[in-house]
Amino acid sequence: GESVGLHLPTLSVQEGDNSIINCAYSNSASDYFIWYKQESGKGPQFIIDIRSNMDKRQGQRVTVLLNKTVKHLSLQIAATQPGDSAVYFCAENLADSSYKLIFGSGTRLLVRP
Amino acid sequence: DAGVIQSPRHEVTEMGQEVTLRCKPISGHDYLFWYRQTMMRGLELLIYFNNNVPIDDSGMPEDRFSAKMPNASFSTLKIQPSEPRDSAVYFCASSLSSREAFFGQGTRLTVV
Repeated sequence: GESVGLHLPTLSVQEGDNSIINCAYSNSASDYFIWYKQESGKGPQFIIDIRSNMDKRQGQRVTVLLNKTVKHLSLQIAATQPGDSAVYFCAENLADSSYKLIFGSGTRLLVRP
Repeated sequence: DAGVIQSPRHEVTEMGQEVTLRCKPISGHDYLFWYRQTMMRGLELLIYFNNNVPIDDSGMPEDRFSAKMPNASFSTLKIQPSEPRDSAVYFCASSLSSREAFFGQGTRLTVV
């Protein structure tokens, strides 16, 4: 595949377990955050987003938690499946009317069958 | 819609040659972004356009890199002359006045 071979932190979970992927963002002025999933050979794919006026948002099998006090974001995946194996990135956007997304370094999720 | 389309998917070129990467954004989207992904630096924003106008090119590494968007359905990223350290996966993304960007499949560039 087209993995760029990043030396990423890796989270290994058993199929069916819940996964929690963490991200520390850099700018306290950021007001919008997105989690992306990148499978080998593909571009990043949107999973879920959250605005800074919220601390939790739920999607299908995924939940994002935002703690602005410590500038921390987490992605929880319920009942992890083999198809969830990928690299996960958080991205932040400054509240400056631009649409620049600044990406974190990513976490590789491996799902054991 | 077929999504963001990039070409070529793979490009191998010799140092010193000109390289042109192409992108067709999703129809109707008004923002277009060029990102580069490497082992060392992860995903970096190089430049982005709004309504075909370059808004922020502060991420473009040096003068060897240039990007154009002659119309709403096409953009190019050119490297001239290319160097081995330019080897990376280059992504194009587009969005519709929102901060959710849709990415293409990327172009893997190898400069030897």
